[in-house]
Amino acid sequence: NAGVTQTPKFRVLKTGQSMTLLCAQDMNHEYMYWYRQDPGMGLRLIHYSVGEGTTAKGEVPDGYNVSRLKKQNFLLGLESAAPSQTSVYFCASSFGPNLGNEQFFGPGTRLTVL
Amino acid sequence: KQEVTQIPAALSVPEGENLVLNCSFTDSAIYNLQWFRQDPGKGLTSLLLIQSSQREQTSGRLNASLDKSSGRSTLYIAASQPGDSATYLCAVNNQAGTALIFGKGTTLSVSS
Repeated sequence: NAGVTQTPKFRVLKTGQSMTLLCAQDMNHEYMYWYRQDPGMGLRLIHYSVGEGTTAKGEVPDGYNVSRLKKQNFLLGLESAAPSQTSVYFCASSFGPNLGNEQFFGPGTRLTVL
Repeated sequence: KQEVTQIPAALSVPEGENLVLNCSFTDSAIYNLQWFRQDPGKGLTSLLLIQSSQREQTSGRLNASLDKSSGRSTLYIAASQPGDSATYLCAVNNQAGTALIFGKGTTLSVSS
């Protein structure tokens, strides 16, 4: 049981490049989330999904897109990376409000945009 | 807009001390509250989850309490150890269960 895994662990991009971060969970969770963590700002929600095929915006969605084609995977895309997107990105998952909604986090992806 | 505040921002204690970390939130309409631990450069580990209808939860040397009416939660750590050194994050879940709002954390250092 791997829990929540994230790929890649580290990445350096140049301004304007694109990339996709992959999150996978093997706990059969319905809900999945993407957060970013910045010094002095704490963790903030980017996008979330309440089930396969659904996505919704969080607090800081601009510049990001997401997809949930399979229940176990949640992808975060940066179409044209900007230095302001330098951050640590965390994926999380949960069963949802009907089952307590405890969120479990992945190890994070450290992204630097030059 | 929900805001979560954690005080103090940093805390240093000698090994063996009992300590309390504080968390306050501005909107009492929460679904639950979760305490996490984060080691440097690592992800978040869930420590305790308190549902809005509960008053406290315990796990080993950790005890978390919740007072929704006053918008406060505390994390009590008994007999602290150097291995407890980490950043502790408090987060409240909105009523729809769709978003965790985090505090900025308390960084704990336990010296031997």
